[in-house]
Amino acid sequence: GAVVSQHPSRVICKSGTSVKIECRSLDFQATTMFWYRQFPKKSLMLMATSNEGSKATYEQGVEKDKFLINHASLTLSTLTVTSAHPEDSSFYICSATLAPGHEQYFGPGTRLTVT
Amino acid sequence: TQLLEQSPQFLSIQEGENLTVYCNSSSVFSSLQWYRQEPGEGPVLLVTVVTGGEVKKLKRLTFQFGDARKDSSLHITAAQPGDTGLYLCAGGREYGNKLVFGAGTILRVKS
Repeated sequence: GAVVSQHPSRVICKSGTSVKIECRSLDFQATTMFWYRQFPKKSLMLMATSNEGSKATYEQGVEKDKFLINHASLTLSTLTVTSAHPEDSSFYICSATLAPGHEQYFGPGTRLTVT
Repeated sequence: TQLLEQSPQFLSIQEGENLTVYCNSSSVFSSLQWYRQEPGEGPVLLVTVVTGGEVKKLKRLTFQFGDARKDSSLHITAAQPGDTGLYLCAGGREYGNKLVFGAGTILRVKS
């Protein structure tokens, strides 16, 4: 199956700083990437949909100025958590799809801890 | 808002027992995916069903898509400790990429 990587796998940062998380599709070109947030033992919550070369579409209640998404190429999308606070601590997961209607392939996730 | 109700939320069983997880919705989906996720890792796709009434088998796992494409089930026969994990169902619409996820089922199989 298709491989999606995320970097870093774990990050600890201080409150008020910004953190960038990368999502890469390693063996296919992803027209669309998705960013999810997951709380312990809970399901995935979609944060935003990212299409290459265009602005991300954010889900209701997700602050676009706090969670900056850039999809500069067909194999890379980044999520930057700006001015992070402890309540932003979570497991962030990205997924990528080859084309509309195709399956989503998930990355291994990034554990963010804000102290 | 499309909702996908998944049940049960938590299941703890003994090795060798059978179990079924359900996903139900009032909306029609063009496809239904089942994922398994282990702690600290991303979800791994188990199966995709797209045709109403479709049944797919993956070793001891049997997946079914309802005739009306509004519901799905995952049945595990003779569960093993290695089946332990979070099981997620997700529905896809014909137009667009977004998936609607169920709340998840935490399965624990005790030896």
